[in-house]
Amino acid sequence: AQRVTQPEKLLSVFKGAPVELKCNYSYSGSPELFWYVQYSRQRLQLLLRHISRESIKGFTADLNKGETSFHLKKPFAQEEDSAMYYCALSGRSGGGADGLTFGKGTHLIIQP
Amino acid sequence: DAGVTQSPTHLIKTRGQQVTLRCSPISGHKSVSWYQQVLGQGPQFIFQYYEKEERGRGNFPDRFSARQFPNYSSELNVNALLLGDSALYLCASSRGGATGELFFGEGSRLTVL
Repeated sequence: AQRVTQPEKLLSVFKGAPVELKCNYSYSGSPELFWYVQYSRQRLQLLLRHISRESIKGFTADLNKGETSFHLKKPFAQEEDSAMYYCALSGRSGGGADGLTFGKGTHLIIQP
Repeated sequence: DAGVTQSPTHLIKTRGQQVTLRCSPISGHKSVSWYQQVLGQGPQFIFQYYEKEERGRGNFPDRFSARQFPNYSSELNVNALLLGDSALYLCASSRGGATGELFFGEGSRLTVL
């Protein structure tokens, strides 16, 4: 069974400090990993996916297959980064038949 | 484009009743997925439809059913409602059948009393 674990329910950091949101996954094959974000009063939306290997809004995430992790990082937090962040896994790359498996989410609060 | 639209936004039902939730995908998107989000949890996959055919189903009882229409809109039906069905039901659309990037609606909040 595939599983996504986000160990921190809440993470509070000061503006300008580095941010790391942890995500670990369990899957026997080659997963596709995503980070979704939900800002206050907005819809859930894709932040980034590991296959694109790009930085979005200053965030990056590297898939570490050895540690089965996909941590989200940003070197300098901004107040507008405050949001709910969900790590998600697709078990069959390109297949879609199992949908996305989401973690429980981490509420990131950036303090001024 | 208004994005993915869902209706109704809120509804209250009693145990044993049936509910139908509706979703219109983004224009040009042929796949619709349904997710259930219970308070404090991440979304949980219920169904995916692509080109009007069921492509995937999550671990939900047969009380849950869905369909996709020729215009790619979709309905989620839940029969014999239980208190535990109270949740936010999210619809998401995507261009193709692969999971890829999902575009979510604002959800339908169902309360079962």
